[in-house]
Parts: sequence; structure tokens; C-alpha cells
Amino acid sequence: KQEVTQIPAALSVPEGENLVLNCSFTDSAIYNLQWFRQDPGKGLTSLLLIQSSQREQTSGRLNASLDKSSGRSTLYIAASQPGDSATYLCAVRGTASGTYKYIFGTGTRLKVLA
Amino acid sequence: DTAVSQTPKYLVTQMGNDKSIKCEQNLGHDTMYWYKQDSKKFLKIMFSYNNKELIINETVPNRFSPKSPDKAHLNLHINSLELGDSAVYFCASSRAANTGELFFGEGSRLTVL
Repeated sequence: KQEVTQIPAALSVPEGENLVLNCSFTDSAIYNLQWFRQDPGKGLTSLLLIQSSQREQTSGRLNASLDKSSGRSTLYIAASQPGDSATYLCAVRGTASGTYKYIFGTGTRLKVLA
Repeated sequence: DTAVSQTPKYLVTQMGNDKSIKCEQNLGHDTMYWYKQDSKKFLKIMFSYNNKELIINETVPNRFSPKSPDKAHLNLHINSLELGDSAVYFCASSRAANTGELFFGEGSRLTVL
């Protein structure tokens, strides 16, 4: 059974810092992994999607890497800004039972201080 | 144009009532989902439809019944609401069941009194 864990659960950093959020999963048989951000009271916004055959994806100040064999993904945020404050969630789409379910991690609450 | 839209955004109701949440996507996707986010913000899949066919049905009480009249719509009907049903319900869609990004609606916050 796929389990997805995110560490740390919460993070507070001063503006301008580079930071890394971690996501680990127990079953490496995945189709893809997606990173999202969720602002309070809002839906989830897709940030990056990494296919199982890819090692990383970049969008602006964000870079996500995937190491399927070790069951890990990291989201790197460069030069953090107060507007980056949100909860970041990773989700893994697995192949278990052929249902292609997305399983979500517990999230990392990020606060960037001005 | 909103890609995935849900109505209503807020729903407050009494225990025992029946309520529905509607979802529509204009992305041309084949697959739609219902997720439940509990008070601890954990997201758990409930149902998924691929081109109007149910493909994922998690261990959800049978008081919850999804309906997909066409591949652009997925509604969720809940009978005999209980206090524990209070949560935020998210609709999502993806291009296909095994590929493509997941796009979410804004969520429907259900409060059962």
C-alpha cells in the first residue's frame, strides 16, 4: 500500500532563502509525481508534474526532482518570497491494482517572513 | 474561464439531511475525481470516473453516491448527513486515468450541524 510522507510538516524561513521540501513514497511503481500548493481556504494549484521516466522539472524559481528507486522527490524553491507562503503537497500516481490513484502526502506548511 | 468549477462553495446543513455538490470541467478531460480533505488537511480520494464509468470507489459509506451524466460533469450526492461528513470536498480532473496533471476545483466546504 502506497504511503506518502512529507518532511518537514512546517517550515518558517526569512525572505530570500533557498529551501528544500521533501516527499518520500514507499512504492516505487509510479506513473508520475505532482507537486501542488494550497493557499488557505483555496483549492490546489498544480506546480510541477514529473513523469516516472524523468529526473526533474523546472518552472521559474521551482525545481522538482524525482529519484524513483529511493522513493524520494524534492521541491527546491529559490529566493523565497512572502507570496510563497502556503501548504505544499506532493501526490504520487501509482499503479497499484491498476487504479492509477493519486495518493497525497500530509503537506508542508511554509511561511516566508518578510 | 474556470477549468474545474464546483457548486456550492459553502454548504451548512442539519444532520440527517440530503445534499448534493456539483462539479464541471471545461478542459476536455476524460477522468474526474472526488477528494475529501479532513480537518487535518489530509486529502483522500473517494471516487473516480473515466468517461462516465466508475473506476475508483474507495471505502466510502454508501450514503455517498457519485453520478456522472457526461464526462464533463461529476456530481456527489450525500444522504442522511452525519457530523463526521463535515469536510472540504474537492473535485478534480485529469486528461486520462493514468496520465496528465491533476486539476482541482476550489472546493466545497460542507458543515453538518
